[in-house]
Amino acid sequence: DAKTTQPNSMESNEEEPVHLPCNHSTISGTDYIHWYRQLPSQGPEYVIHGLTSNVNNRMASLAIAEDRKSSTLILHRATLRDAAVYYCTDFAGGTSYGKLTFGQGTILTVHP
Amino acid sequence: DSGVTQTPKHLITATGQRVTLRCSPRSGDLSVYWYQQSLDQGLQFLIQYYNGEERAKGNILERFSAQQFPDLHSELNLSSLELGDSALYFCASSVGSGGRHTDTQYFGPGTRLTVL
Repeated sequence: DAKTTQPNSMESNEEEPVHLPCNHSTISGTDYIHWYRQLPSQGPEYVIHGLTSNVNNRMASLAIAEDRKSSTLILHRATLRDAAVYYCTDFAGGTSYGKLTFGQGTILTVHP
Repeated sequence: DSGVTQTPKHLITATGQRVTLRCSPRSGDLSVYWYQQSLDQGLQFLIQYYNGEERAKGNILERFSAQQFPDLHSELNLSSLELGDSALYFCASSVGSGGRHTDTQYFGPGTRLTVL
């Protein structure tokens, strides 16, 4: 299974940008990079995904390195509600169907 | 609210017992996924069903089984329970078979299982 590595924890102040890194050492050429987050006492929720180009949506931006061995989830202005565990995954799809392999994730703490 | 419902929210039982966890996917979603989240193993994929048929299998124990019914709801059956089975069990659903990168998974609130 594809394995990603992330820092165990990060801290930020409210209203400041947050850059959450992920290493994708075993990613294959057709795997997409997906990010999910898990708010306290909730199930994970989808954040964003991409293949090669940087991606933006209403929740966050995703920057993908040229060699695709690393990605960075960017929260432009952190709020208290963004405190969560953030997971990056390598999504193979195809005959792996929807199997998602989660690592330990990064615990993001946001200070008021 | 993701639209995925799971029952019960909490379940306390004894070792050796059997329990059934239930999941109703979002309206229109054909795939159901089951995940287990424990402190030592993290969030692990167990199994996926698409339109009633098993599609993908993860590290699911032989004591565990699942099925998806014609109305698309799914049940996860856990038998001969052990203390180590205590965990949060999440169900997720998606529109398609999960093979496409656009097939976002929507997670339910989970069932917390405690085995005493």
